[in-house]
Amino acid sequence: RKEVEQDPGPFNVPEGATVAFNCTYSNSASQSFFWYRQDCRKEPKLLMSVYSSGNEDGRFTAQLNRASQYISLLIRDSKLSDSATYLCVVNQGGAQKLVFGQGTRLTINP
Amino acid sequence: EPEVTQTPSHQVTQMGQEVILRCVPISNHLYFYWYRQILGQKVEFLVSFYNNEISEKSEIFDDQFSVERPDGSNFTLKIRSTKLEDSAMYFCASGWISGGATDTQYFGPGTRLTVL
Repeated sequence: RKEVEQDPGPFNVPEGATVAFNCTYSNSASQSFFWYRQDCRKEPKLLMSVYSSGNEDGRFTAQLNRASQYISLLIRDSKLSDSATYLCVVNQGGAQKLVFGQGTRLTINP
Repeated sequence: EPEVTQTPSHQVTQMGQEVILRCVPISNHLYFYWYRQILGQKVEFLVSFYNNEISEKSEIFDDQFSVERPDGSNFTLKIRSTKLEDSAMYFCASGWISGGATDTQYFGPGTRLTVL
């Protein structure tokens, strides 16, 4: 079983749509959870950390279900600039290595 | 905003040659990392470094790889004898422990290594 598993997509949605990404992780010792975005041939950039209570940052909402080992990201009112690959990332806390999912490619169409 | 920098942006080398990839982490960070991403694949952890020694390394990080922080600002990854399968994007990252808070790792722009 993959350590971090995501739907590879691709997702093609019209501008203004709501998009949901799902991710599962296999290591129950995982402590920290993140969504990164990666533009083509660029570095991963932190989009948001994911907290147990769920958290929101503007149009982006992240949820964590520790019992199910499941993480989600919701993008509302999607913009053309949201087109990227979204990476689900976990680690065992602190300074330990990040474990990346394969990523889900998103294309927002005008 | 402080950022991680990497040089060169693109390195082309012949198989069997040594390469050194360079990184300047964010100045007040304590932990440094190398990751790599083969084209079309996921980002993979190579090694982490703290207090002038390796704290963790992956199976990929074999005897052909080494890391060094030679002068307190640069952080380097050396590949002694490159193989075709070493062709990838290599990302440096840095981060710090903030007393119980979730750590965040910040990535440099990457060095694209092409082995011919």
